Amino acid sequence: DVVMTQSPLSLPVTLGQPASISCRSSQSLVYSDGNTYLNWFQQRPGQSPRRLIYKVSNRDSGVPDRFSGSGSGTDFTLKISRVEAEDVGVYYCMQGTHWPGTFGQGTKVEIK
Amino acid sequence: QVQLVESGGGVVQPGTSLRLSCAPSGFTFSSYGMHWVRQAPGKGLEWLAVMWFDGSDKFYADSVKGRFTISRDNSKNTLYLQMNSLRAEDTAVYFCARGLRGLDVWGQGTTVTVSS
Repeated sequence: DVVMTQSPLSLPVTLGQPASISCRSSQSLVYSDGNTYLNWFQQRPGQSPRRLIYKVSNRDSGVPDRFSGSGSGTDFTLKISRVEAEDVGVYYCMQGTHWPGTFGQGTKVEIK
Repeated sequence: QVQLVESGGGVVQPGTSLRLSCAPSGFTFSSYGMHWVRQAPGKGLEWLAVMWFDGSDKFYADSVKGRFTISRDNSKNTLYLQMNSLRAEDTAVYFCARGLRGLDVWGQGTTVTVSS
């Protein structure tokens, strides 16, 4: 199975400052169709997960442009350019290239 | 409005069975792969199973293989998760999600508690 490793697991951030979360996979996430099925999800307290980013860098509809995804192969990053209070929650990467699908451990973003 | 609604959760004893359902609305269910994902209390997300849009293929996490079965009835617009031989460690909120490799829509979850 593909192991997804996120860091850091806890990320205290000052409002208005940037934040960055790393996600590394134990094998390449490039699928045979040429796409890389790496997703990022946000889970606010008490809510269901919400997808933010798909195929590494594509923002979902309604997701603020302060969120961006990048990376390739086995190394991926989610960046928040300026953290706002509503960004508090846990962020997960998840690969949909290989079965079984696997999530990272989650990164808890909180305001300092 | 695109929506998924899970149901069927409850409190059950170890060793028993439970079947969860996921009812979609606002989109053509038969065109999408579907997943089950769970979250134990205070823990992260755990991917469980996926089924292709037409039921032609499915995969499971090792933790539930042989005990859980994903299925769908496209004529009834419903996704199912049959859970057998339930254990205390299966206690979690269970989510269904849409999309073969992208999980773009999630339900609100249904809670399963396995306790004697």
